[in-house]
Amino acid sequence: GENVEQHPSTLSVQEGDSAVIKCTYSDSASNYFPWYKQELGKGPQLIIDIRSNVGEKKDQRIAVTLNKTAKHFSLHITETQPEDSAVYFCAASKSLGAAGNKLTFGGGTRVLVKP
Amino acid sequence: GAVVSQHPSRVICKSGTSVKIECRSLDFQATTMFWYRQFPKQSLMLMATSNEGSKATYEQGVEKDKFLINHASLTLSTLTVTSAHPEDSSFYICSAREGLAGGLNTGELFFGEGSRLTVL
Repeated sequence: GENVEQHPSTLSVQEGDSAVIKCTYSDSASNYFPWYKQELGKGPQLIIDIRSNVGEKKDQRIAVTLNKTAKHFSLHITETQPEDSAVYFCAASKSLGAAGNKLTFGGGTRVLVKP
Repeated sequence: GAVVSQHPSRVICKSGTSVKIECRSLDFQATTMFWYRQFPKQSLMLMATSNEGSKATYEQGVEKDKFLINHASLTLSTLTVTSAHPEDSSFYICSAREGLAGGLNTGELFFGEGSRLTVL
């Protein structure tokens, strides 16, 4: 089955700096890669996703890149703010259009933005 | 975006009792719902996939008789932890995927807020 590795496990950045989280996946058939933000005691919230037919996607301060050949994808947060502090999870799944396909999550990255 | 509601958000029970957690899709029909378990400072681990009108598909190592899943309607799935023990204490999270005609889906998963179970 799919295996998703995520690094680093913790990340501390100064407010205003950028944060980068990297994930690798094992199944070359995976074609959907979402990123979730989870605040303490809450469920994950989708912040951005990318599909295998594009290499990069951006939404304001958040961007995701995908390298299908190397089977890795990354989350970039620019101009970090204290409210960006949370746990971030990457995930991967395949056959997006078919019913019932499931996500495999990375181990998570705890991001702390210091004011 | 779509809303998925979980209830209760917190529950404390005595060892040996059963606890039911509900997952509802509030503004869309979810042909598929997923149940996850998350231990402190760990990732989400998929427990089972719940399909409306059929039996749930459990992941390897998850006891189907202990974690009963029912998906009786397109907007409701329930997880019942039977004969709960302290090691069942965890954060349980559901997610739902909107179903479209022809068995296709939009792809995006919407997550509930989670239910924290504490078994004394």
